[in-house]
Amino acid sequence: GNSVTQMEGPVTLSEEAFLTINCTYTATGYPSLFWYVQYPGEGLQLLLKATKADDKGSNKGFEATYRKETTSFHLEKGSVQVSDSAVYFCALSRGAQKLVFGQGTRLTINP
Amino acid sequence: GAVVSQHPSRVICKSGTSVKIECRSLDFQATTMFWYRQFPKQSLMLMATSNEGSKATYEQGVEKDKFLINHASLTLSTLTVTSAHPEDSSFYICSAPWGGTPLAGPHIEFTDTQYFGPGTRLTVL
Repeated sequence: GNSVTQMEGPVTLSEEAFLTINCTYTATGYPSLFWYVQYPGEGLQLLLKATKADDKGSNKGFEATYRKETTSFHLEKGSVQVSDSAVYFCALSRGAQKLVFGQGTRLTINP
Repeated sequence: GAVVSQHPSRVICKSGTSVKIECRSLDFQATTMFWYRQFPKQSLMLMATSNEGSKATYEQGVEKDKFLINHASLTLSTLTVTSAHPEDSSFYICSAPWGGTPLAGPHIEFTDTQYFGPGTRLTVL
């Protein structure tokens, strides 16, 4: 079946540190892959997505590359800010817009 | 960006009572909405797809008589947890995919994506 496994948190970093949150998936076919972010008190927001192998999604300094050979979609950012503190969810699309989520990774950035 | 609201944000009820949770798309029409459930430190699990004008479709293992879904209009879906028990305590989240039809109001740049509500925390005593 379809599943997403992401790095367990919580993750705590200092401002300007490099961030990696690992995400791997199992799926039938070729799903689209997503990273969603949830800020405190708000709904999930799409951060970035990739729809086919070798695609790179990017937004707000975050990047993730769709790696079919390793079934991965790791999230990276070169220099994090305090405002990046949130919960990050990796997800894949099963089709008909249905999403399968990872368990979420809570990120805290200290000044 | 587009807004999806949920009401209430938090509810505490006694075992055996029913609880209704509303999900509204505030600035676009949503013919389809999704309901998810999230347990602590676990991922969001899709429960059902709410379809305007037709019956909801439920994921395997989700009791449709327990979780009643009504898509009353193009902007409103409700989830009713019937005869709630402590094991129903969870965080319920709805989402609405952009369907292509904005409501009247300030122009918003929509994207081909889903918009999520902030969630409802249900605690059953």
